[in-house]
Amino acid sequence: ETGVTQSPTHLIKTRGQQVTLRCSSQSGHNTVSWYQQALGQGPQFIFQYYREEENGRGNFPPRFSGLQFPNYSSELNVNALELDDSALYLCASSGGWGADTQYFGPGTRLTVL
Amino acid sequence: DQQVKQNSPSLSVQEGRISILNCDYTNSMFDYFLWYKKYPAEGPTFLISISSIKDKNEDGRFTVFLNKSAKHLSLHIVPSQPGDSAVYFCAVASGSARQLTFGSGTQLTVLP
Repeated sequence: ETGVTQSPTHLIKTRGQQVTLRCSSQSGHNTVSWYQQALGQGPQFIFQYYREEENGRGNFPPRFSGLQFPNYSSELNVNALELDDSALYLCASSGGWGADTQYFGPGTRLTVL
Repeated sequence: DQQVKQNSPSLSVQEGRISILNCDYTNSMFDYFLWYKKYPAEGPTFLISISSIKDKNEDGRFTVFLNKSAKHLSLHIVPSQPGDSAVYFCAVASGSARQLTFGSGTQLTVLP
């Protein structure tokens, strides 16, 4: 069974740029959620995708957007990067709409200068 | 306002003893609770969960207790091992997306 994978591992961008982060869900999982973890805090929910549709969204501005593909992999896009966007971005997959337990990937560390 | 609180940023215990990590929540409608463990430079790893219809769930050395009247859950690790040293997060699953709301974490250090 293949776990959740994310790419890239680390990324450095400058303020105002755009970034795309990628995630492959665990085999058999069709739901992907994205979280942002700032230093010293717990992860915060950004949004979830189920069957290529956004299924829920946390308190993040529209410049955070996403996609899910037919193979259930997903992308997180962030436009007009701000310094406060520097964080660990985590992708989690689960076994379907309404599934309670989510399994996380290793994360992408984004630094905005 | 924080819906899930872990009031102890850190905890140190001796190897072989019990580790007790605590978590409080505010919403009595929450019905599913989880604990995750996180090592540096890795994503959170799912440890154990409990539904609100239960008050205890065990998995090997890990036991989660839920006290609904106090809106409190705890994770017991017995016996503690040095490899258990990590940040532990409690989380609740809620909403139609079953999104996870996390506490701020407790750094557990198990001393040999």
